[in-house]
Amino acid sequence: DTEVTQTPKHLVMGMTNKKSLKCEQHMGHRAMYWYKQKAKKPPELMFVYSYEKLSINESVPSRFSPECPNSSLLNLHLHALQPEDSALYLCASSLIFRGEVAKNIQYFGAGTRLSVL
Amino acid sequence: QKEVEQDPGPLSVPEGAIVSLNCTYSNSAFQYFMWYRQYSRKGPELLMYTYSSGNKEDGRFTAQVDKSSKYISLFIRDSQPSDSATYLCAMSASGGGNKLTFGTGTQLKVEL
Repeated sequence: DTEVTQTPKHLVMGMTNKKSLKCEQHMGHRAMYWYKQKAKKPPELMFVYSYEKLSINESVPSRFSPECPNSSLLNLHLHALQPEDSALYLCASSLIFRGEVAKNIQYFGAGTRLSVL
Repeated sequence: QKEVEQDPGPLSVPEGAIVSLNCTYSNSAFQYFMWYRQYSRKGPELLMYTYSSGNKEDGRFTAQVDKSSKYISLFIRDSQPSDSATYLCAMSASGGGNKLTFGTGTQLKVEL
């Protein structure tokens, strides 16, 4: 089973709203990732968690706040977003983040399509 | 110059054709190479991964890596309409973490 589950599938929010995206995996992976993908563009890395600790923040604005409550769950809290933040938000996981590359294959969820009005 | 270059297409082929998708890269530290398939409005799905140079075959799909030329390819034999999707190449360097560098993706349409 190589399943990464993301909820919700779709989200519409106003610029003053607070919402959260959720990601879950039960593959025993200890690295989890958030990506942002705009139409006809490749995914852009936002955050990496390794063993539940934030390992990489790719200079993402503070209106995006990640959280990793345990090894299976990853959240992305959203607050005061802008219309240009509308995109497909993808979660991925891999066995580990640093070390033997063969264990670093990333598996992606189906994404949350976010629209900011 | 981008680290990974990929022809964006769109590429349109008839059903049954052999499809060749390619990426070139500039970073000689890349050692791990992946191909993802992404259907419209869905997340990327891992198709193939290879380590260093060589070929790998899985059913109708063959991945090739030529590190001396910094060139990777994905071949799809007997293409089907269900293969219509965007194909993303991705690569990573050993050590220092597993950050993937993606190509821009090639949009493929297989027509009946």
